[in-house]
Parts: sequence; structure tokens; C-alpha cells
Amino acid sequence: DAGVTQSPTHLIKTRGQQVTLRCSPISGHKSVSWYQQVLGQGPQFIFQYYEKEERGRGNFPDRFSARQFPNYSSELNVNALLLGDSALYLCASSLEARGVTEAFFGQGTRLTVV
Amino acid sequence: AQKITQTQPGMFVQEKEAVTLDCTYDTSDQSYGLFWYKQPSSGEMIFLIYQGSYDEQNATEGRYSLNFQKARKSANLVISASQLGDSAMYFCAMRIYSGGSNYKLTFGKGTLLTVNP
Repeated sequence: DAGVTQSPTHLIKTRGQQVTLRCSPISGHKSVSWYQQVLGQGPQFIFQYYEKEERGRGNFPDRFSARQFPNYSSELNVNALLLGDSALYLCASSLEARGVTEAFFGQGTRLTVV
Repeated sequence: AQKITQTQPGMFVQEKEAVTLDCTYDTSDQSYGLFWYKQPSSGEMIFLIYQGSYDEQNATEGRYSLNFQKARKSANLVISASQLGDSAMYFCAMRIYSGGSNYKLTFGKGTLLTVNP
């Protein structure tokens, strides 16, 4: 069975540009969450989506947005990129939005802003 | 607000020996879960073990066990019989289950474990 897949795996963008990251959850999982992990830190929560609705948002500026599609895949968009947006972006899928379910992570997208 | 503290930036262990990675947490909620993840250099976060706040017994998964001390708010990971492949970053994380929570995972800063042959 396929795990959580993210694309692209690596990305280099210039300050001020926009970027879209993609995530396909494990088959049957309806919840997708996005995390940002800067070098030397633990992941920080950005968004959670369940059944195409936003269920949670972390402390990130409005330049960050996301959506979930009918097939439960998700996109994370970041506008007006800053150097500080350089990080590993992780997507996690869960069977449900709530409950004692573990989150399975993809390998992430390494974004470098120059 | 929830907080996870991992005080060991790096740990070294000899192959085949046991190692304990420390994790303390802070929350006023009564219902929560504690997770440990392994992150190799490839970047993927690999789930290792879970402990619920109401679980009376410490969780175990193969060579991994979680030493849960609720009164001290600690959830240390014990890896027995270390292997070279255990070398990686290890993250402790917490999820709150109270009403209104979005069930996000709050992570610590991690501990880099190096297993020496």
C-alpha cells in the first residue's frame, strides 16, 4: 500500500514568488495536516483539513493557504515567499480528524527560497 | 498552551546497549496523547510509539518502550538493544483531545541519537 506521497521532493524559489506543494494521503484517510520544519527545530503545525474543510490553523501568516480536494489530496500554497520560508514541509494523513489515531507522514518537500 | 521539552540535543550509545531519550510535557488538559517519532536524514517522520494519558500501563512496541510518569509529566523513550540503523533524530510530540482542539501535534526540538559500532 502506498504511504503518504508529497511532490515535489525538492524546490528552489526566489523571494516574492509563489509555491504550491502537493500531498496525497494514505488511501482511506480523510484528514490531512501540514507542518513546517525549519532546520534544527521540530515541526510546527500549519493546517489541518478534514472532509475538505479547514479544521485547524497554526500561527502562520495569511500568505499560507491550503485546500483539500474530493479525493482527500491536499495542496499547500505560499505566496510572496520570504527567505524564512525555507524549510521542510511535511504532510501527515490520519484516518479521522479526531480520536486516537496516529499520523502518518510523507517524506516532505524541501523548499529553499533564495 | 502545550509545550514539549527535549533537553538532550544529542545522545551517543554503543551498539546493542539501551538508551533513554528524555521528554517532558506541559499541559493543563486531562485528555492527551504522547507520541514518539523517528526522523532519519531522508526527512520522513516515522511513528514509533503512542501513550494515552489514561493508559495505566507503559506502552511497548518491539524494542521501543515509553516510560510514562504522569505526575512528573514525563514520557521518556527507551530503546533497547540499539542498532546502527537507530541513528536518527527523535521527536516527542503531544496531541490534546479536549473539546474544541484541532488535534494538532505539538513537537519538541528533538534529540539526535548516534549509535556507535
